[in-house]
Amino acid sequence: EVQLLESGGGLVQPGGSLRLSCVASGFTFNTYALSWVRQAPGKGLEWVSVIYAGGVGTYYADSVKGRFTISRDNSRNTLYLQMNSLRVEDTAIYYCAKNRAAAGIIHFDYWGQGTLVTVSS
Amino acid sequence: EIVMTQSPATLSVSPGERATLSCRASQSASTKLAWYQQKPGQAPRLLIYDASTRATGIPARFSGSGSGTEFTLTISSLQSEDFAVYYCQQYNNWPTFGGGTKVEIK
Repeated sequence: EVQLLESGGGLVQPGGSLRLSCVASGFTFNTYALSWVRQAPGKGLEWVSVIYAGGVGTYYADSVKGRFTISRDNSRNTLYLQMNSLRVEDTAIYYCAKNRAAAGIIHFDYWGQGTLVTVSS
Repeated sequence: EIVMTQSPATLSVSPGERATLSCRASQSASTKLAWYQQKPGQAPRLLIYDASTRATGIPARFSGSGSGTEFTLTISSLQSEDFAVYYCQQYNNWPTFGGGTKVEIK
């Protein structure tokens, strides 16, 4: 059974930093791309970032480019999202999502339960 | 960026009836289109990918169709567990989602 468990969310002030983690199990971690997708309270879904299976390809939505960094540790089956220079508009539930392939633009066949990030003074 | 527009925003349907949800892309998404279901307090669940392929474990009452800029998700006979919000997502370019259609009990 595929499982994705996010952690690291919380309350942070504007301009602050936070690091999210996602521990995966139930599939061969190093053979799939992984993404972060967020959802502001009461709003729709927004793709944030993807990292390909080998870690060589990383891509970001324009809204977070230059502020967020995605990474993965295949030895620990863990995905990360380092979020710097946080803004109020980054407030959202952040989901870790498994892609259906190793690379390429894809969709998400499994999702974690999400971790809430609140940016507020 | 490909903008995805879903209609209607809310669909009121009686149990057992058919529901038809629409999704339009601002430019061609080919057949690179997925549908997700999201219930309150839960993560999204993949229903359909490649516009018409059901994901693992998804009941046959869910079907998808379309290509290019026009897509449809049909639920042939609504069950109580199907009342939820549905999102379309294109992946012909960087992923973008529609704003969602809420299917509620009539």
